[in-house]
Amino acid sequence: NAGVTQTPKFQVLKTGQSMTLQCAQDMNHEYMSWYRQDPGMGLRLIHYSVGAGITDQGEVPNGYNVSRSTTEDFPLRLLSAAPSQTSVYFCASSYREGDTKQYFGPGTRLTVT
Amino acid sequence: DAKTTQPNSMESNEEEPVHLPCNHSTISGTDYIHWYRQLPSQGPEYVIHGLTSNVNNRMASLAIAEDRKSSTLILHRATLRDAAVYYCILSNTNAGKSTFGDGTTLTVKP
Repeated sequence: NAGVTQTPKFQVLKTGQSMTLQCAQDMNHEYMSWYRQDPGMGLRLIHYSVGAGITDQGEVPNGYNVSRSTTEDFPLRLLSAAPSQTSVYFCASSYREGDTKQYFGPGTRLTVT
Repeated sequence: DAKTTQPNSMESNEEEPVHLPCNHSTISGTDYIHWYRQLPSQGPEYVIHGLTSNVNNRMASLAIAEDRKSSTLILHRATLRDAAVYYCILSNTNAGKSTFGDGTTLTVKP
């Protein structure tokens, strides 16, 4: 298994640009989530999904969209990038939420200038 | 959502046991207690989780208070590779989301 993969590893955007961060898992996990981590801080939940076709907002959803058309993929779209979105983004998956462990991807380091 | 409180930092000597505390006074009956750790420049890594009873695995032990309002992650013999940020989080099957706090930065001294 490749586990949780994220692309790209690094990205630089200009203010106002849009882009999509890709996340995929090959473990047939129902639960997937996106977090952001600012320097020296913990992880904050952006959006999550409990299965294909179902998504919901986390703590900091503004400026981001998600969709879950398949079990494997959970892309995160930045609508109009702002410097405040400079962060490291982690995608995670688990069989379900609650009593199973989450597997995290390696992260995408995003800089918005 | 129930929150957790952890000390910002702790220090340990190599090959000594480490007890990392976590308070979760508003935990609900269906919240699982999870611990993750994050090494520099990496994504978080699962350590252990439990509901009511103490748990052991190859990485660590988890001691859960009888009232479930606190828990302790125990590393039996700290190594330099255990230096990381440790996160205690609550995860609920019905809530659909879990939140991370700022964690405890563990420093291991040789």
